[in-house]
Amino acid sequence: LAKTTQPISMDSYEGQEVNITCSHNNIATNDYITWYQQFPSQGPRFIIQGYKTKVTNEVASLFIPADRKSSTLSLPRVSLSDTAVYYCLVALNNNDMRFGAGTRLTVKP
Amino acid sequence: SAVISQKPSRDICQRGTSLTIQCQVDSQVTMMFWYRQQPGQSLTLIATANQGSEATYESGFVIDKFPISRPNLTFSTLTVSNMSPEDSSIYLCSVEGRTFNTEAFFGQGTRLTVV
Repeated sequence: LAKTTQPISMDSYEGQEVNITCSHNNIATNDYITWYQQFPSQGPRFIIQGYKTKVTNEVASLFIPADRKSSTLSLPRVSLSDTAVYYCLVALNNNDMRFGAGTRLTVKP
Repeated sequence: SAVISQKPSRDICQRGTSLTIQCQVDSQVTMMFWYRQQPGQSLTLIATANQGSEATYESGFVIDKFPISRPNLTFSTLTVSNMSPEDSSIYLCSVEGRTFNTEAFFGQGTRLTVV
């Protein structure tokens, strides 16, 4: 049973806000929600982690509703360099780091 | 953050041979992880390697095929044994982060092609 479900791909244009939603209906009480970004020929890079409500850092915002069965990664004013695959993970800690299929975001000029 | 160096960055190998991939970290870490990623696909966890204990393998991966060493807190190796073309993939090393529970740092990966 997949822990997370994300759209396979999304397209956007430079300067737009992009929201990628991840479903995780079976999230456990102590699980965290984490998003990673992966560029071609590189390993994934940690973007943001949250447990509930909203988390914001210099790169993105993460919105988590009260039931925690989904989460939305928000990228403000994307640029071409934000073209990448974005992975949503639901895990307690590093021992549980199993990646889902990811969302391939393409930012167009 | 942690800086991870993986060697080799890529290799082309003959079937039936073995390749050892090295992962060097610039700081001491307890947990190191090895992943496999087919081109265009997501990452699959192969095993977790903690210093001082045997690696823990995920379902579908066995020690005879993917032996792992973890001699100290900054280094690990993954060997892909008796290779076949199906082993062609990108192999990634990662280490735990210290700021967040599910934070991990990844190497650049080793692109392996078996012919």
